[in-house]
Amino acid sequence: DTEVTQTPKHLVMGMTNKKSLKCEQHMGHRAMYWYKQKAKKPPELMFVYSYEKLSINESVPSRFSPECPNSSLLNLHLHALQPEDSALYLCASSPTSGYITDTQYFGPGTRLTVL
Amino acid sequence: LAKTTQPISMDSYEGQEVNITCSHNNIATNDYITWYQQFPSQGPRFIIQGYKTKVTNEVASLFIPADRKSSTLSLPRVSLSDTAVYYCLVVRASGSARQLTFGSGTQLTVLP
Repeated sequence: DTEVTQTPKHLVMGMTNKKSLKCEQHMGHRAMYWYKQKAKKPPELMFVYSYEKLSINESVPSRFSPECPNSSLLNLHLHALQPEDSALYLCASSPTSGYITDTQYFGPGTRLTVL
Repeated sequence: LAKTTQPISMDSYEGQEVNITCSHNNIATNDYITWYQQFPSQGPRFIIQGYKTKVTNEVASLFIPADRKSSTLSLPRVSLSDTAVYYCLVVRASGSARQLTFGSGTQLTVLP
């Protein structure tokens, strides 16, 4: 199984809502990532978890809160988002996090719209 | 990490070979060159990675000259389904989590 799954596929939320994005992989990977991608732009790294510990936070606003409950699961909790946060949110995983030949496997993404 | 420069877009016809060149003038000794493909509303997909000379797999070839300041992704006999954005990245091993920094990418459009 070389698949990263993400739910939901689409999400529409108001600025006062609290919602969560979920990402799952069963490849035994120990590094997991959240990226944000705006239309016609490349993906931008948000967070990296290595062995279930947050190792990189790319100065992401606190209205985005990541969580890694176990080695297979990664969540992104959303609260008080702004319309400019509307984007495709991508999850990825890789075997470890430091080896040069590690390949990142991406999920299909969650299309988020903030009204 | 070395900044990459690629053409913004390219057009090709079905059955042709497509070569996309990426410039990475400031590449460091321990850096590798990696290419990803992305279809609309999907996550990027790893295509190929190399350090020097030539690497080939079932979908593409990667040519890297001796000075490693550029690389060329070669897609043989493209089809309509190869229409996608192709990203060239320079990646570096580190003791901790390794980041992928995506450049602007090349939109390849394959025409019938």
